Amino acid sequence: SQTIHQWPATLVQPVGSPLSLECTVEGTSNPNLYWYRQAAGRGLQLLFYSIGIDQISSEVPQNLSASRPQDRQFILSSKKLLLSDSGFYLCAWSQGSETQYFGPGTRLLVL
Amino acid sequence: LAKTTQPISMDSYEGQEVNITCSHNNIATNDYITWYQQFPSQGPRFIIQGYKTKVTNEVASLFIPADRKSSTLSLPRVSLSDTAVYYCLVGFSGNTGKLIFGQGTTLQVKP
Repeated sequence: SQTIHQWPATLVQPVGSPLSLECTVEGTSNPNLYWYRQAAGRGLQLLFYSIGIDQISSEVPQNLSASRPQDRQFILSSKKLLLSDSGFYLCAWSQGSETQYFGPGTRLLVL
Repeated sequence: LAKTTQPISMDSYEGQEVNITCSHNNIATNDYITWYQQFPSQGPRFIIQGYKTKVTNEVASLFIPADRKSSTLSLPRVSLSDTAVYYCLVGFSGNTGKLIFGQGTTLQVKP
């Protein structure tokens, strides 16, 4: 069966520091991968999606970037965090246009 | 991608059947309707998906009228553990899997 992992589970970072969140998927090959952000009490906002290695699309202009160095690894990064980057970050995978399955999420607090 | 409208919140009591309706007036021919459940500090969990008429699984039923401009998620005999946010999504993502999440419906089940 397929599983999706995210780490860390929680993170507290000062403004201006770098960020690296990692997501890995097991039990499937060539998945579509997604990064979402969820502000408190709000719905999910799609940040990036990837249909293959080094094939990444950005949905909104922001202080973040994404990379996919391996088929089942998706990384969310920032060179300098802003206060507004605080939120709940979720990684998801799907096979093509099939249902998306979400990871456990990372709670990021920027102080 | 079709926009969806659903109630912001609903209250229910244990043992009752809960029906959450979602409006999607501009649904396209290729669009599927998908419902997710999200608990606090967790990633959304796929509940059910349908295209037309009725779909039932071990968790819920999904009713879709002939014009497909709305859908109703039915949760039989809810328990306290069904307290969560429920999202209705409509779309056909092709190969990208892009989903648009709204604010969802917060269901509060009371004892």
